[in-house]
Amino acid sequence: AQKVTQAQTEISVVEKEDVTLDCVYETRDTTYYLFWYKQPPSGELVFLIRRNSFDEQNEISGRYSWNFQKSTSSFNFTITASQVVDSAVYFCALSEAPTGTASKLTFGTGTRLQVTL
Amino acid sequence: ETGVTQSPTHLIKTRGQQVTLRCSSQSGHNTVSWYQQALGQGPQFIFQYYREEENGRGNFPPRFSGLQFPNYSSELNVNALELDDSALYLCASSSRLGAGNEQFFGPGTRLTVL
Repeated sequence: AQKVTQAQTEISVVEKEDVTLDCVYETRDTTYYLFWYKQPPSGELVFLIRRNSFDEQNEISGRYSWNFQKSTSSFNFTITASQVVDSAVYFCALSEAPTGTASKLTFGTGTRLQVTL
Repeated sequence: ETGVTQSPTHLIKTRGQQVTLRCSSQSGHNTVSWYQQALGQGPQFIFQYYREEENGRGNFPPRFSGLQFPNYSSELNVNALELDDSALYLCASSSRLGAGNEQFFGPGTRLTVL
């Protein structure tokens, strides 16, 4: 069965600090996808990144970067120079359905990030 | 391009009642998934519809049912409401099936069961 663990329930940082959100996953499949979503107070989940299990290259997008390590089943997310607008709940998710079947996302419990001035 | 929309925004019901939640998928998307998000938790997969047929279901009882229409909009119906059904219900659409496809989420419907 697939499972996603986000051990950090809540993190508070001061603006301009770097912060890393941890994500550990469990799956028996060799082909799977990992996602990060941001959920601001409005409630809508905003897609941030998708990674497939065959691509372990780290990715950087502006202030955001992701570190995917299959050896430790982790997919961590780092925000550099955090800003108040980064305050939200961040979810890591896993999808392991074969093509053509339900593309179910299994989410972690989320990490609430609070960035203050 | 119109994003995923959901209605109503908020809803209050009492135990035992029935509720219907609606979702309009993003233009061009034929796959709709529904998720339940209890307070302080991550979203839980309820079911997915593809071209008007249920295409997978999570661990939810049969009183959770759905429909998808020819225009790919969708409904989630919950019968015999229980207090634990109080949650944010999220609809997500994608352009095709497959684990790697990005799902675009709507703003959700917050259901309160008293």
